[in-house]
Amino acid sequence: QSVLTQPPSVSGAPGGGVTLSCTGSNSNIGASFDVHWYQQRPGTVPKLLIYSNTNRPSGVPDRFSGSKSGTSASLAITGLQAEDEADYYCHSYDSSLRVVFGGGTKLTVL
Amino acid sequence: QVRVQQWGARLLKPSETLSLTCAVYGESFSEYYWSWIRQSPGKGLEWIAEINHSGSTYYNPSLKSRVTISVDTSKKQLSLRLSSVTAADTAIYYCAKTSDYGGFDYWGQGTPVTVSS
Repeated sequence: QSVLTQPPSVSGAPGGGVTLSCTGSNSNIGASFDVHWYQQRPGTVPKLLIYSNTNRPSGVPDRFSGSKSGTSASLAITGLQAEDEADYYCHSYDSSLRVVFGGGTKLTVL
Repeated sequence: QVRVQQWGARLLKPSETLSLTCAVYGESFSEYYWSWIRQSPGKGLEWIAEINHSGSTYYNPSLKSRVTISVDTSKKQLSLRLSSVTAADTAIYYCAKTSDYGGFDYWGQGTPVTVSS
């Protein structure tokens, strides 16, 4: 059971868009700790996709965007491409547990 | 640019101690926090422990009694020891650097560890 809750799976059509959610509590996301997102393609190392809620590291397409509100955060992906098929994890900090992750969402591009 | 390389024993028997090392190349080591994170087969990411250059440590409460994280700043290396392993500790273990903004921006290649009798 992960501290941050993510839907196990989402799917979308090529060219379309999806939004992945990450729900926490008042001890983590709601306590104003930043949320970070990672993309993990099969058999690869997780890659930082969004940091500090809304920021993209150099090289990450602007098709990926992040937001945060209250005790939740979201990752939006537009213009879906086959290469976006991956697992996506959210990450934040918790006042008691230090580092917490979501259980991950598997994105399928139909 | 940062390069992170890991190594350690990959096959352990139950009750043995897991020992992994991570070396950092190309950037200052001491300025950052470093963590160990693991991923069990088909599962999500689980944070294990974190350390900074001065040796301040933080542990996942569920693993704290069995985990030791340490640094050797002269060698720019990070180490993990996990005692009394069981099959539940079978996972890919990663070391990762915490960026100035809190996300993990550089990861080691991962070390798959299997615990089996």
